Amino acid sequence: DAGVIQSPRHEVTEMGQEVTLRCKPISGHNSLFWYRQTMMRGLELLIYFNNNVPIDDSGMPEDRFSAKMPNASFSTLKIQPSEPRDSAVYFCASRAGIYRGNQETQYFGPGTRLLVL
Amino acid sequence: DQQVKQNSPSLSVQEGRISILNCDYTNSMFDYFLWYKKYPAEGPTFLISISSIKDKNEDGRFTVFLNKSAKHLSLHIVPSQPGDSAVYFCVNWGKLQFGAGTQVVVTP
Repeated sequence: DAGVIQSPRHEVTEMGQEVTLRCKPISGHNSLFWYRQTMMRGLELLIYFNNNVPIDDSGMPEDRFSAKMPNASFSTLKIQPSEPRDSAVYFCASRAGIYRGNQETQYFGPGTRLLVL
Repeated sequence: DQQVKQNSPSLSVQEGRISILNCDYTNSMFDYFLWYKKYPAEGPTFLISISSIKDKNEDGRFTVFLNKSAKHLSLHIVPSQPGDSAVYFCVNWGKLQFGAGTQVVVTP
């Protein structure tokens, strides 16, 4: 298995532009998670999906952020318009189980390094 | 509201010695924790876990201890190896919260 795939690996954009991050979870996994890592706040959960349905988006910082999962093999995280403070590494992770407390491992993608100028 | 705290941002240890990483937590309904390890430019990878039915879990060189009354857990790496140099995150699984991480550097 190729693991969790994220694209692009690096993104540099100008303030005000739309940014779309993509994730392909591990085949057969039912849960998908988006995280953001910054120096100030560490690694924080933004949103997660169970069976393609958003379950908890309380970590999404603002309305400028939106996430979708149109099918079991693909998810996007969109920032529109982007701002310099959105600069961070964004990780996608997937897991076989669907319950929040499910004691199964999450598998992380390599991350997308976003820089907003 | 940081409910998982790793108060040591960095740790330097000599190869062959023991590395001890600490983590404190608050208000956890699920006493189930994991440790993730992260190399630069890679996503975190699962290392070891512990649940409330145990106070210790061991996997090779890695041992995690859980003290529920103190709401404290620790990760021991014995013996430390250069390949262990990474950032280690303590994770509260019930809340899906990550600690700030501890950067471990193992020197020859």
